[in-house]
Amino acid sequence: DTAVSQTPKYLVTQMGNDKSIKCEQNLGHDTMYWYKQDSKKFLKIMFSYNNKELIINETVPNRFSPKSPDKAHLNLHINSLELGDSAVYFCASRGQGFPGELFFGEGSRLTVL
Amino acid sequence: GESVGLHLPTLSVQEGDNSIINCAYSNSASDYFIWYKQESGKGPQFIIDIRSNMDKRQGQRVTVLLNKTVKHLSLQIAATQPGDSAVYFCAEFRFSGGYNKLIFGAGTRLAVHP
Repeated sequence: DTAVSQTPKYLVTQMGNDKSIKCEQNLGHDTMYWYKQDSKKFLKIMFSYNNKELIINETVPNRFSPKSPDKAHLNLHINSLELGDSAVYFCASRGQGFPGELFFGEGSRLTVL
Repeated sequence: GESVGLHLPTLSVQEGDNSIINCAYSNSASDYFIWYKQESGKGPQFIIDIRSNMDKRQGQRVTVLLNKTVKHLSLQIAATQPGDSAVYFCAEFRFSGGYNKLIFGAGTRLAVHP
């Protein structure tokens, strides 16, 4: 009954490959996010969707393509993986309550070799 | 530019002591300031927020202080427990025509020793 769930939790791949991370929330929230956390724990917003519509795109390379098939899902596809893409990617969602309270998944650690 | 940052990357405290985690920010246009806690292997978790027109807010064992004059935010944890060991992030939230954003600072690791 996890509120925000991401798969896979760990992903190890070679440079140049294409990979996807999936996210699902069962909280009934309208807004979902992808954040990237680097090795120094810095959290940076990448994308935000509201009701399947992209509302925030924070100058992320075109190799990153989010997709929201419905408001409970927000997937992240990454093409031509680079070493610098290695990070922990967090999905989050937000409901109708206080807008600064995000509910995060447990993260997907991507390692690019 | 805008930034939300922290003075100390690591804070070590004894169990039972009070902890104070500090944060400096540069953007005065934020509507709220928020503290998140991230335990090892988990995602960040909301702790407490403070509206920009307030200077103090208390929760359960936590107190947020906001000093707008010096653009400083702090999180005080009373009677720190081992379960408080985590990385703490301050974040700023701003309403911006529907494109509401939550911007995180760099994080402080709190280590609680028995």
